Amino acid sequence: QSVLTQPPSVSGTPGQRVTISCSGSGSNIGTNAVNWYQHFPGTAPKILMFSSNQRPSGVPDRFSGSKSGTSASLAISGLQSVDEADYYCAAWDDSLNGVVFGGGTKLTVL
Amino acid sequence: QLQLQESGPGLVKPLATLSLTCTVSGDSISSSSYYWGWIRQPPGKGLEWIANIYYSGSRYYNPTLKSRVTISTDSSKNQFSLELSSVTAADTAVYYCARRVYWPRYFDHWGQGKLVTVSS
Repeated sequence: QSVLTQPPSVSGTPGQRVTISCSGSGSNIGTNAVNWYQHFPGTAPKILMFSSNQRPSGVPDRFSGSKSGTSASLAISGLQSVDEADYYCAAWDDSLNGVVFGGGTKLTVL
Repeated sequence: QLQLQESGPGLVKPLATLSLTCTVSGDSISSSSYYWGWIRQPPGKGLEWIANIYYSGSRYYNPTLKSRVTISTDSSKNQFSLELSSVTAADTAVYYCARRVYWPRYFDHWGQGKLVTVSS
């Protein structure tokens, strides 16, 4: 069981907007920023969002992040087939003194 | 251009020690701007953080693995390494090395990953 909780899967049609939730606790998301990683199986994971809502250079503005209390979410608007991947949230946990990941969410573009 | 490359045995016997090395090119592991870390992904499962190390020697370990894990650096070779002792089949995974920004804290570059299978 992962410290951060994500839905195992989400799906949407091209052009649609989808959101992926990430639930934690006061020692991780409640206190620290959330990062999101995009992972295509067989390749290196890629940072998609850091500090909860900051996009690294090169990440399309179709991706947005937010955080409220002990939860965070990643939104993808204008869904495209190339977005079909696994998405992971992560945060520093002050109690564990380490990085915790969510279990990952598989995004399917129908 | 920053590159990280994992290397080491792809097959390890049960109860032996798993040893992996990450060779960094395009940056110095002695930089004060970054930590260096290991993350793994068991087959069909999610990502699990293992450990981080800073150039000063500061180390952080996943509490569930701490008793079996050692992370170290070799600045002369611009490499950092992972040792995981007393491995079992549950340690079979793709192991990634990555660079973590000092602040804000996130992994900005990852290696391609190394599949390590624990089997006799």
